[in-house]
Amino acid sequence: DAGITQSPRHKVTETGTPVTLRCHQTENHRYMYWYRQDPGHGLRLIHYSYGVKDTDKGEVSDGYSVSRSKTEDFLLTLESATSSQTSVYFCAISGTGRSMNTEAFFGQGTRLTVV
Amino acid sequence: TQLLKQSPQFLSIQEGENLTVYCNSSSVFSSLQWYRQEPGEGPVLLVTVVTGGEVKKLKRLTFQFGDARKDSSLHITAAQTGDTGLYLCAGFLIGGSYIPTFGRGTSLIVHP
Repeated sequence: DAGITQSPRHKVTETGTPVTLRCHQTENHRYMYWYRQDPGHGLRLIHYSYGVKDTDKGEVSDGYSVSRSKTEDFLLTLESATSSQTSVYFCAISGTGRSMNTEAFFGQGTRLTVV
Repeated sequence: TQLLKQSPQFLSIQEGENLTVYCNSSSVFSSLQWYRQEPGEGPVLLVTVVTGGEVKKLKRLTFQFGDARKDSSLHITAAQTGDTGLYLCAGFLIGGSYIPTFGRGTSLIVHP
């Protein structure tokens, strides 16, 4: 168990409302990622972080923002949720110590439904 | 554009059969990983291959990294119902990127 927790695990929200998903790790991993998983698309990277307050965009970042004010927390915000953002969202962590270990540890996912 | 192409997309077999799934790209990778994901869970790492031509075995699973480091395969011998899941490959591009890029996955169902 890599000590990574996502919250909430399930959420239903209305179109146009803001939504924040939280990822919390207890492993002091440097890298944190947010992916979305949709049928037929696999895992697509939304945003990632390589340190506190250091973030960058992934391939599907439009409509999403992130923040990392502490090593252990990485927040994903949908400023104004749309139905196309209905998906399963996974947080992942990697990279500890001086030798970069590329193994990614995933949370259990957040199932978000926008109605 | 899909950087890593996995095939087949779906596979439905009987217990005891052998199977191979593929992960292909036109790009060169410093390493490739294979993950397995079970329903309702996040992916879990099976193996990382680093050297071109490398072969790694994990019980009934055999992983191979292509000589040119552009492709990889996963072979399962005598599949069991417990092998059912989504198999994902992930690659790290040459240049030191630590950001994994995932393929779309192969969904495997093994029937008893």
